[in-house]
Amino acid sequence: AQSVTQLDSQVPVFEEAPVELRCNYSSSVSVYLFWYVQYPNQGLQLLLKYLSGSTLVESINGFEAEFNKSQTSFHLRKPSVHISDTAEYFCAVSASGYALNFGKGTSLLVTP
Amino acid sequence: DTAVSQTPKYLVTQMGNDKSIKCEQNLGHDTMYWYKQDSKKFLKIMFSYNNKELIINETVPNRFSPKSPDKAHLNLHINSLELGDSAVYFCASSQSGTRVEQFFGPGTRLTVL
Repeated sequence: AQSVTQLDSQVPVFEEAPVELRCNYSSSVSVYLFWYVQYPNQGLQLLLKYLSGSTLVESINGFEAEFNKSQTSFHLRKPSVHISDTAEYFCAVSASGYALNFGKGTSLLVTP
Repeated sequence: DTAVSQTPKYLVTQMGNDKSIKCEQNLGHDTMYWYKQDSKKFLKIMFSYNNKELIINETVPNRFSPKSPDKAHLNLHINSLELGDSAVYFCASSQSGTRVEQFFGPGTRLTVL
């Protein structure tokens, strides 16, 4: 079975500051890794994914995540956050390509 | 719009009632899912159907019964609702094979009184 640990439940940050949301996973087999974002009262949107290939993956809105197999991590970073990035961020892992196992989420709060 | 849709968006009901939530996707995917998000925002897989066949059935009470009439629909029926069933239920879909990312519906907020 796979599991995901998101080490920070809440991350407050000032606008235009950099941010890192941490995600570690455990699995005995190769996995696919995802970051999803949930804005208030909305569904989940895929932010980025690692399936294979380059370990650094990027999203269209400036986020990036790096797959580190030796540290079993998939941390999410953004060099400069905006107010609109305020949301809940979920890291997820899948070994089968079917069920996603989610972490408990990190609430990112961006203030002016 | 191509998307995963769910109805209703909100559902308020009394303990003991039976209710259904409907999900439809027009993305042409062959796999659909139900997830439950509890009050602490933790998301957990409940069921998964691939080509109308049940492939994942996590530890969910028998009161929950998914039904997939075709590949584009996955409905969730809940019997004898309990207070602990209050949650947000998300439907999702994906295409099996190389494209493993899942696309989520807007969610159904179920409140059991």
